Amino acid sequence: DGGITQSPKYLFRKEGQNVTLSCEQNLNHDAMYWYRQDPGQGLRLIYYSQIVNDFQKGDIAEGYSVSREKKESFPLTVTSAQKNPTAFYLCASSILAPGTGSEQYFGPGTRLTVT
Amino acid sequence: GQQVMQIPQYQHVQEGEDFTTYCNSSTTLSNIQWYKQRPGGHPVFLIQLVKSGEVKKQKRLTFQFGEAKKNSSLHITATQTTDVGTYFCAVANGGSQGNLIFGKGTKLSVKP
Repeated sequence: DGGITQSPKYLFRKEGQNVTLSCEQNLNHDAMYWYRQDPGQGLRLIYYSQIVNDFQKGDIAEGYSVSREKKESFPLTVTSAQKNPTAFYLCASSILAPGTGSEQYFGPGTRLTVT
Repeated sequence: GQQVMQIPQYQHVQEGEDFTTYCNSSTTLSNIQWYKQRPGGHPVFLIQLVKSGEVKKQKRLTFQFGEAKKNSSLHITATQTTDVGTYFCAVANGGSQGNLIFGKGTKLSVKP
């Protein structure tokens, strides 16, 4: 089956610890994205990557870091510098469609709770 | 930067009633996408509209793109409990290939 996997589904951490969220896709998509969703809010873009070994900051990149060493993988690290890390994190991927935006496929998400 | 306003934020309907959510932009859009997120789930792509005045239907769902390509609507006829969820519109961020900007969504609840 083709798709995007995120693990784990639920994650609990103590304040001050860094935590890495996994995102893997086998859709052969070039572009991958990380979003944060808070209750009653839309999706806010954290980071995105259009090609291996390259990534760009989104609207709320502070306190987060990413890597894109493989086309299939785009892990997100929530660092201790992120002031309000508790949220639902969604990873997505798409083909690249210059200027128009293409359909994004989302993973099931990771619900992170930091106490 | 590009922004899109989505209204209403919440909508509570009785099963069988119709439902409409709207997205509005101050700038002309190249296209608009709609997604549905079930409670506890992840967004799932529904449709993309590209042409001015375009109307597309998926069973009880009707999607419209305004003539000026600055607004769009999603209308559900005779809602069912399976329609429950949050509906998001998303528009291309013209400055970055492939990026989307999402509206805040309309959360639909359906009372049986």
